[in-house]
Amino acid sequence: QITLRESGPTLVKPTQTLKLTCSFSGFSLTSSTVGGVGVGWIRQSPRKALEWLALIYWDDVKSYNPSLETRLTVTKDASKKEVVLTMTDMDPVDTATYFCVRTDSGPYLHDAFDFWGQGTVVIVSS
Amino acid sequence: DIVMTQYPVSLPVTPGEPASISCRSSQSLLHSNGNMYVDWYLQKPGQPPQLLIYLGSNRASGVPDRFSGSGSHTDFTLRISRVEAEDVGIYYCMQGQQTPYTFGQGTKLEIK
Repeated sequence: QITLRESGPTLVKPTQTLKLTCSFSGFSLTSSTVGGVGVGWIRQSPRKALEWLALIYWDDVKSYNPSLETRLTVTKDASKKEVVLTMTDMDPVDTATYFCVRTDSGPYLHDAFDFWGQGTVVIVSS
Repeated sequence: DIVMTQYPVSLPVTPGEPASISCRSSQSLLHSNGNMYVDWYLQKPGQPPQLLIYLGSNRASGVPDRFSGSGSHTDFTLRISRVEAEDVGIYYCMQGQQTPYTFGQGTKLEIK
């Protein structure tokens, strides 16, 4: 059974750095049989718009949304089954629900997000 | 970035009736391997989005066969043959052709 769970602060102040952790189970991020297994982050604004942020694959290849790339860092600790997203210089417009997602391009031939965490709400306010 | 435009924004449907949601991309989503790199997700109230359709027309695991996807290049459609009460929520299309992956603004399906 594949599960993902996000954790991190609910409230951050403007200009602070956000650190979110995704703890996952039921699959490995140390190897991939076919295609590429990865874990990523997608956020949803209060108006329900979805925005893809970043991905890290089993082989440590990373991909970022160019519009946020200078502020984002994604890392993994495969042995602990954790992926960490760091976002610097937080602003009120970054207020959103942040989802951790899994992708496996083996069966889907591309990055389709077949498992999602429940999401964690992040509010940016002074 | 590839822009995804969905319509309608809101879709009231009577149970048992069909429903259709359209999605248009600003660039062709036809991959060199012949597949359409468009996926559909459904976000039910209080839940994260779930994968419904991948590569334009393939149902994800566990998705009822009343859901179907079609389309090519820049125009795509999600169809529900007979809407049930459990189908309420927000439907999103997403392009997986190139990063940054981008989503449509969503279509909210509600029961009349």
